[in-house]
Amino acid sequence: QSALTQPASVSGSPGQSITISCTGTSSDVGGYNYVSWYQQHPGKAPKLMIYEVSNRPSGVSNRFSGSKSGNTASLTISGLQAEDEADYYCYSYTRRSTLGVFGGGTKLTVL
Amino acid sequence: EVQLVESGGGLVEPGGSLRLSCAASGFTFSNAWMTWVRQAPGKGLEWIGHIKSKTDGGTTDYIAPVKGRFAISRDDSKNTLYLQMNSLKTEDTALYYCTTLSYSSSDYWGQGTLVTV
Repeated sequence: QSALTQPASVSGSPGQSITISCTGTSSDVGGYNYVSWYQQHPGKAPKLMIYEVSNRPSGVSNRFSGSKSGNTASLTISGLQAEDEADYYCYSYTRRSTLGVFGGGTKLTVL
Repeated sequence: EVQLVESGGGLVEPGGSLRLSCAASGFTFSNAWMTWVRQAPGKGLEWIGHIKSKTDGGTTDYIAPVKGRFAISRDDSKNTLYLQMNSLKTEDTALYYCTTLSYSSSDYWGQGTLVTV
C-alpha cells in the first residue's frame, strides 16, 4: 500500500484537460516542494515530466503542469493527445523515512 | 549523453541468487546517489533501495521485504552499480531499473533488466 494516494484511472477526450492527484501528508507532499511526476508508456522506462512540484525538464511539453495545495499535488495535462495515454506516478520526499515511495500510479486513457 | 545500462537479469529458481549490474556514463557517477526501482508484471513502481555517494557516507537503505536478502554496492572506478539478490522469492519477479532518482531535473533511468523467479 502506497503512502501516496493516486486515483487508479482517469480518462479524457482529445483536446480536453485532465488532472491527476497525489495525496500524502504534511510529512511528505504537504511539507516540502519535492514532488515529481513520471510518465510511463507500456514497455518503457519511466520519464520525468515534472520536478519540484511545478518545474518541467527541458523537452517536456508545456501541456504538462504541476501544482500543490495542502497535502495534495496535482498533474494537469491540457490539450490531451493520444500519445499522452500512459501510466503516471508521483514521487515525494518524506521526512518520516530514509526510504523512497511512489504513488500507486494512475492509468490515463485518452478516449 | 547520460546512459544507464542494466544487465544480469534472468530466470532463477526460488532460493537462488542473481547479481544485477548497472553501467553508468555521461555524468559524474561518484557524486550520485543511486537507486534501484522494480516493477512487477502489471504493477506499479516500487522503490527498493539506494546507496549514497561515498562523500555522503556511501550508506544503503532498503525496504523491509528485501532487507537482509538484497545488497546494493557501487564501484566508482568502474562507474558501475550493483544489486546482489539472495534467497530470491517468486514475489521478487519484476523488471529492475537503476536510476539516479532525484528531486531535480537530473533524473535518469535505465531500460531495466528482467528477473524471473
